[in-house]
Amino acid sequence: ETGVTQSPTHLIKTRGQQVTLRCSSQSGHNTVSWYQQALGQGPQFIFQYYREEENGRGNFPPRFSGLQFPNYSSELNVNALELDDSALYLCASSSWGRDTQYFGPGTRLTVL
Amino acid sequence: KNQVEQSPQSLIILEGKNCTLQCNYTVSPFSNLRWYKQDTGRGPVSLTIMTFSENTKSNGRYTATLDADTKQSSLHITASQLSDSASYICVVSSFSGGYNKLIFGAGTRLAVHP
Repeated sequence: ETGVTQSPTHLIKTRGQQVTLRCSSQSGHNTVSWYQQALGQGPQFIFQYYREEENGRGNFPPRFSGLQFPNYSSELNVNALELDDSALYLCASSSWGRDTQYFGPGTRLTVL
Repeated sequence: KNQVEQSPQSLIILEGKNCTLQCNYTVSPFSNLRWYKQDTGRGPVSLTIMTFSENTKSNGRYTATLDADTKQSSLHITASQLSDSASYICVVSSFSGGYNKLIFGAGTRLAVHP
């Protein structure tokens, strides 16, 4: 186990709805990255948070947004859900300046 | 465009046999290359990490190689076990724009049969 936790484990939503996914980073880690992994594909980088600010972003639209809290935990928010948003959402924590990322178990989102 | 390509897409082997998975990448600048193991429905777990100057790295029955000139890497699994059944993902790290970006391959899905 990596010490990174995510909630919920599974989630079912309908098109147009909004969803919030949560991640608690490993103790001592101050950086959180979020990834989207479609079935049969490798994870795609969404964004990274450090010091409660977005520090880098992949090719995802603005309806994907995030937050990082003072305790370094993080949320991923997705508005106006689309069918293609169905995927495993992974969060990974790390220490700033070190590129070893530890992944959580993921949240499986299904959009109907 | 930064890309990581893996082959084969899937592989079935018998327990006890060896296998080799391939990874080709076009990523610049290059920081390091990792192989991850991802069990179904779980997050990836790092197996090995290699920097530009390293040619090989072992972790138990897993041995990774890196040829930075040809931008190729391989993961060799020796004496496979049923628990090796998983997806193996090649990940190249590139530090640019002030942060470390991970570029993932699509993975090779390995099934080990008794």
